[in-house]
Formats: sequence, structure tokens, C-alpha cells
Amino acid sequence: EVQLVESGGSLVKPGGSLRLSCAASGFTFSSHNMHWVRQAPGKGLEWVSSLSGRSNYIFYADSVQGRFTISRDNAKNSLYLQMNSLRAEDTAVYYCARDFDYYSSGTYYKGIDYWGQGTLVTVSS
Amino acid sequence: DIQMTQSPSSLSASVGDRVTITCRASQTISSYLNWYQQKPGKAPKLLIYAASSLQSGVPSRFSGSGSGTDFTLTISSLQPEDFATYYCQQSFSTLFTFGPGTKVDSK
Repeated sequence: EVQLVESGGSLVKPGGSLRLSCAASGFTFSSHNMHWVRQAPGKGLEWVSSLSGRSNYIFYADSVQGRFTISRDNAKNSLYLQMNSLRAEDTAVYYCARDFDYYSSGTYYKGIDYWGQGTLVTVSS
Repeated sequence: DIQMTQSPSSLSASVGDRVTITCRASQTISSYLNWYQQKPGKAPKLLIYAASSLQSGVPSRFSGSGSGTDFTLTISSLQPEDFATYYCQQSFSTLFTFGPGTKVDSK
């Protein structure tokens, strides 16, 4: 069974830093791209960042570019999100999520097929 | 960045109703479109991928259609467990983006 378990969320002051972790199990972690997606209280989903299985491709949303760093340790089946210079608008539940590929007629389609339960980050003084 | 819009933002329906939700992309995205369902306090769940492919385990009352910029999620006969918020998401760009969501509640 695929499991993704996030940890590390807490209350932090504006300008502070936090590191989120995600422990993966039930699948070959190194074979999958991974994502972080967040959801502010009462709001919709916002994709934050993704990286490839070997960490050679990394992408960020404009809203976190230069402040957040995604990384992974395939030996530990773990995904991380280092968040610096935190702002009130970064307050959200952060989900760790697994990428999937679907191949059809010469095209790879991508999406997110498994999600963790989320960890809450609150940025407030 | 590719912007996604959804309509309506909310709708009220009864069990047994046919429900249709529309999603539009700011540029053509071929069939790189996924649909998710989210219930309060829970993580999203993948329903439809590649615009029209049903994820394993998802009831056949859910269907997706469209390509290019305009897409539709249809629930053929709404069930009590279907009251939730639905999001579309594009994967044409490596920077994924989600629509703002459509909340389906009970009339």
C-alpha cells in the first residue's frame, strides 16, 4: 500500500524557516517524481514544487521560487521542503504527493495519484 | 503560467441529478488535464486523468471529456458520497496549476 506521511509543520514567525519531511513507503520511491502541493485555509489547491526521481529536474511555482528548496533522499525514501523567508501567505496545509505517468499513443500524460494527509504550516507573529 | 478557470464555482444538486463542471485553460493543453475530488479535511483524490481516462477504483458515473482549452467533468447520477469540491489541474506545463474548484453541495 502506498503511504506518504508528512511531518514538520508548526507555527513560525514571518521571516522564519521550516523544513517539511515526507516519508514514503509501499512503492519504489526513486522511480517517481514527487510534488509538494499546498492549500491555504478555506482556499483551493496550489502546486508548489516538484522534482524528478534522480533530482535532476526541479521546478517551483513563482510564488515560492528563491525561498523554498525541494530535495529528496532516495536511500531514506524521503522527500523534503526547506522553506525560508516565510510569509503569512505561506500559511497552508502542505501535501506531499506522488507523480504518475500514463503513456498513450506516443504521449506521456502526468498527474498526481497519491497524496499524504498533509501537515499544517502557520506563519504568524 | 497556464491559468485554469472553472465554472460554476459552486452548485447545489440532489441525489440522482446529472452534474456537469467545466474547466478552461488559458492556452491549449491538448489532453493534459486531470480531475480531483476533495472532501473536507481530506487529501484530494484523483478521478480522471488525461482528460477522459477513469482512475482505477473510481465509479463509472464519473466521466471526463474535452481537449485543447475546454474540458468537462460529468457525474451521471449524483450519489450522497459525491458531495465534495472538484478541481481540474493541467500537466501540459511542468509547472502544474489547479483550477479554483467547484463545490457541489446538497440542494
